[in-house]
Amino acid sequence: EIVLTQSPGTLSLSPGERATLSCRASQSVSSSYLAWYQQKPGQAPRLLIYGASSRATGIPDRFSGSGSGTDFTLTISRLEPEDFAVYYCQQYGSSPLWTFGQGTKLEIK
Amino acid sequence: QLQLQESGPGLVKPSETLSLTCTVSGGSISSSSYYWGWIRQPPGKGLEWIGSIYYSGSTYYNPSLKSRVTISVDTSKNQFSLKLSSVTAADTAVYYCARVDIVLVRGGFDPWGQGTLVTVSS
Repeated sequence: EIVLTQSPGTLSLSPGERATLSCRASQSVSSSYLAWYQQKPGQAPRLLIYGASSRATGIPDRFSGSGSGTDFTLTISRLEPEDFAVYYCQQYGSSPLWTFGQGTKLEIK
Repeated sequence: QLQLQESGPGLVKPSETLSLTCTVSGGSISSSSYYWGWIRQPPGKGLEWIGSIYYSGSTYYNPSLKSRVTISVDTSKNQFSLKLSSVTAADTAVYYCARVDIVLVRGGFDPWGQGTLVTVSS
């Protein structure tokens, strides 16, 4: 069973700074079936990144994804006030067929 | 623009069966390009995939819930449904439905419904 571990659990940064979020898988994620989501309080998650590095429709280019195999990163180049939220990674393909990480909370410092 | 909307009781008694329906509008649930999924989120916690279904009826369940979960599809109503049996307080969560695109977004869930809170309590 695959497990996705996100770090850090909480990241405290200021607007304008760069955010780097990590997602590590317990086994290789096949064909980069790795996605990232943003969730704000009281809202459904929103797809940001799919295929490890492709931005979903309408996602600003300050969001970027990278990585392969077992190590993946979500980078937000310059934080805007609306970027402070919880971020989840998710894989498809290994049992359980879809799996989410436990989330990283990005909070304002 | 595709939209998904969850519906069903907001309160379920322990040991009973939770039943939710997701209505899809703005697109056909019978498209061969997509799967349809259920995800839940206990209050203050993370996301858990429950299961997914293809329009043909093929289902995929989280092994941790498989013995209690049934997902079905009604193409005539453009809906898919979730049944979770023998619920306990641990099943209290916001339940989301979402579309899954295996090809174009590599297994990502997009879009999502707004979610519905289901509380298990007597």
